[in-house]
Amino acid sequence: AQTVTQSQPEMSVQEAETVTLSCTYDTSESDYYLFWYKQPPSRQMILVIRQEAYKQQNATENRFSVNFQKAAKSFSLKISDSQLGDAAMYFCAAAYSGAGSYQLTFGKGTKLSVIP
Amino acid sequence: GAGVSQSPSNKVTEKGKDVELRCDPISGHTALYWYRQSLGQGLEFLIYFQGNSAPDKSGLPSDRFSAERTGGSVSTLTIQRTQQEDSAVYLCASSLDSWGTQYFGPGTRLLVL
Repeated sequence: AQTVTQSQPEMSVQEAETVTLSCTYDTSESDYYLFWYKQPPSRQMILVIRQEAYKQQNATENRFSVNFQKAAKSFSLKISDSQLGDAAMYFCAAAYSGAGSYQLTFGKGTKLSVIP
Repeated sequence: GAGVSQSPSNKVTEKGKDVELRCDPISGHTALYWYRQSLGQGLEFLIYFQGNSAPDKSGLPSDRFSAERTGGSVSTLTIQRTQQEDSAVYLCASSLDSWGTQYFGPGTRLLVL
């Protein structure tokens, strides 16, 4: 079975500072995609960033970037210049083609608090 | 454009009743997924649709759960004879194709009393 592990249940960061959320995954598949989703109290899951496993270059979206270490099966999210609106649950997820569909396997989540 | 929508937003029902949850995907998205989010189990995959067919139903927890999709668009998740353990947030997501990024709706919070 594919697994995604987030070892930090809660994190906090000062406004304008940088924080890194950790994620590891386990798969024997060669074709897969990795994601970070954000879920604020409104419940809406919002895509933060996506990484294709075949790409060596780390994905970046404005203040959000990832550190993708394929050999170590690690996929961490870095948030720079943290803003109050970044406070939310963050879920790491993976999609594997060998599962019959590209269903997402999620980690348990990290609750991020931003301190003004 | 319009995102994924789900209805109702919240549903309270009595144990043993049937419930229907609706998902309207983004127009043109061929793939549709249902997930369940609960405190104890986290986020779990339930079922995947490609068009109107469901090639992957592996996540449905029991035969009380069923889903259909019509016209390659709207999907309905039905839970028969609801149990208290069915209480959760049910999330729907759609993607342009089977390997595309999934975009989520706001979810339906189901409470079974």
